[in-house]
Order: sequence, then structure tokens, then C-alpha cells
Amino acid sequence: GENVEQHPSTLSVQEGDSAVIKCTYSDSASNYFPWYKQELGKGPQLIIDIRSNVGEKKDQRIAVTLNKTAKHFSLHITETQPEDSAVYFCAASMTNTGNQFYFGTGTSLTVIP
Amino acid sequence: EAEVAQSPRYKITEKSQAVAFWCDPISGHATLYWYRQILGQGPELLVQFQDESVVDDSQLPKDRFSAERLKGVDSTLKIQPAELGDSAMYLCASSFFGSEKLFFGSGTQLSVL
Repeated sequence: GENVEQHPSTLSVQEGDSAVIKCTYSDSASNYFPWYKQELGKGPQLIIDIRSNVGEKKDQRIAVTLNKTAKHFSLHITETQPEDSAVYFCAASMTNTGNQFYFGTGTSLTVIP
Repeated sequence: EAEVAQSPRYKITEKSQAVAFWCDPISGHATLYWYRQILGQGPELLVQFQDESVVDDSQLPKDRFSAERLKGVDSTLKIQPAELGDSAMYLCASSFFGSEKLFFGSGTQLSVL
């Protein structure tokens, strides 16, 4: 099955700086890559996603890039704010096989005011 | 805004006892998922329903876990008997049929003593 690795496990940045979280996947058949934000005591919330036919997607301060050849994708958060502090999960899915999702182990992001 | 409802939020039980978790997906979402999230890890799929039918329960420990979605709407996940290693967050998610976008509930935090 698919194996998703995520780095780093913890990340601290100063407010206003950028944060980058990286994930790799093993199965070239994966074609959908969402990112989730999980705040303390809450369930994961989808913040951005990208499909395998797109190399980059941006939504205000967050962006995701995908390198299919290298099988890795990254989350970029610019101008970080304290409310960005949370655990972020990447995931990979093969949408033509029943939407089985494989999650990374999470990155705990702390934005220092 | 529609949300996935889960109850209870917290459950403390002793090993060998039975526990049950309830999930009410967003109205109209035909696909329902139960995930288990161990502290410091990403969610792992336990069972996936399409309406009232089980699509994937390959990772469900069937000797002690059971799940049902009798009318294709809300769902119940049961553990009997609970073991110490079952301590985790149990997350329910739902999506429209064929959609990759998952919406998670806030989860049930289970502690087995």
C-alpha cells in the first residue's frame, strides 16, 4: 500500500516568517494530495489540496507544490500568524480506488509572536 | 455551516468494558469513514461506508470492533472488550459520493484504564 512520510515533525517560526512542510509518497498511482490543519481538540480541517495534473496551487497565504517525478509535495505558509499554530497533516489518495486516504504523521507548527 | 457531529467528546472506560461512539455526517453525504488517530500520528482508516454498505473494513480489528450504518445516515462504532491499546482519538468523516473532500468531526477521545 501507499506510504506517506512527513517532515519535520515539529517546526517553530517567528511571526511573519514562512513555514515549509514536506511529504513524500511511494505509490505513483496516487493522484490527489490534500493538506489538513488540526487544532487542539478538533478534527482535521481541509485547507488546500492538489491533483496530480497540477504542479502548484495557491490560496492566499498558503500554497502547495507537487513534484510527481520525485513523488513529493510541500505546503508553504507565508507571513505566518499565531493562529497558524496547529498540527498539519498531508495525505495521499488514489481517487479511482474508493478514496482510500493515507496520512502523514503530522507536523506541529508553532508561530512565535 | 454544516458539521459532522460526534458523541461523546470524551470517554473513559476500564479495559474489558464495552464502548460505543456515534457519528452523524453532513446531510447528503453518502460516504462515511471512521478513523483512529493515535497521539502523534496521522489518522488511520478503520471502516468506510457507502450509504449503508461497508466498502472497506480491512483494517478493522473485527474480533473486538464493529461498525454499522443501518439507515445509511448516522453510524455507530463499538469496541467490546476495550483494551489498553485502544486509547486514541476516534474520528468520523464524511463526503459526497465520489468526492475526495473529507469533512471531519471533532472526534471522541477514548482513554482505556
